[in-house]
Amino acid sequence: QVQLQESGPGLVMPSETLSLTCTVSGTSIYDSYWSYIRQPPGKGLEWIGYVYYTGSTKYNPSFEGRVAISMDTSKNQFSLKLSSVTATDTAVYYCARGGVYFDNWGQGTLVTVSS
Amino acid sequence: EVVLTQSPGTLSLSPGERATLSCRASQTITRSYLAWYQQKPGQAPRLLIYGASTRATGTPDRFHGSEFGTDFTLTITRLEPEDFAVYYCQQYGSSVFTFGPGTNVDVK
Repeated sequence: QVQLQESGPGLVMPSETLSLTCTVSGTSIYDSYWSYIRQPPGKGLEWIGYVYYTGSTKYNPSFEGRVAISMDTSKNQFSLKLSSVTATDTAVYYCARGGVYFDNWGQGTLVTVSS
Repeated sequence: EVVLTQSPGTLSLSPGERATLSCRASQTITRSYLAWYQQKPGQAPRLLIYGASTRATGTPDRFHGSEFGTDFTLTITRLEPEDFAVYYCQQYGSSVFTFGPGTNVDVK
């Protein structure tokens, strides 16, 4: 059974960098593309980007320049870094399996940007 | 960027009724690359349909996806109590993957 679990700070100061890690179990991280998606409170879903074990990445242009998704194959984990955050980056952040559609999701973690 | 519009915003129905949810794309979606998700309060979305009409593993056969041009439809033939939720469509036919704003199916 594939499981994903997000971890990271729940509170980030404005202008700083949001960092999250997703730990994958039940499958090898080599087997798929891996994505981050976010959902502001009470709103819809927004795809952020994906990473593949080769190091290949693809990002939503809305985040270009301040997003990086990387992978640690030795730990079966992948990570998100989003820099220069503002209050509009407050959202539940999900990690998910897939590079086009997403068939397994983590439970999500709320990240609040506030001083 | 492909913009997805979902209608209605809210659909109020009773258990046992048929639900018809619409998702319209602002341009043609390559190779029917459209998925549907179900999201319940406090939970992550769950993949129901991909490729416009292929049910994901574990999706009950009362869920049907179809398409006609840039119009996509998710039909739930007979609503079960566990089907009341928000449904999102998502396209992956363009370089930027986008989601629709969702349709809330609630109990009448």
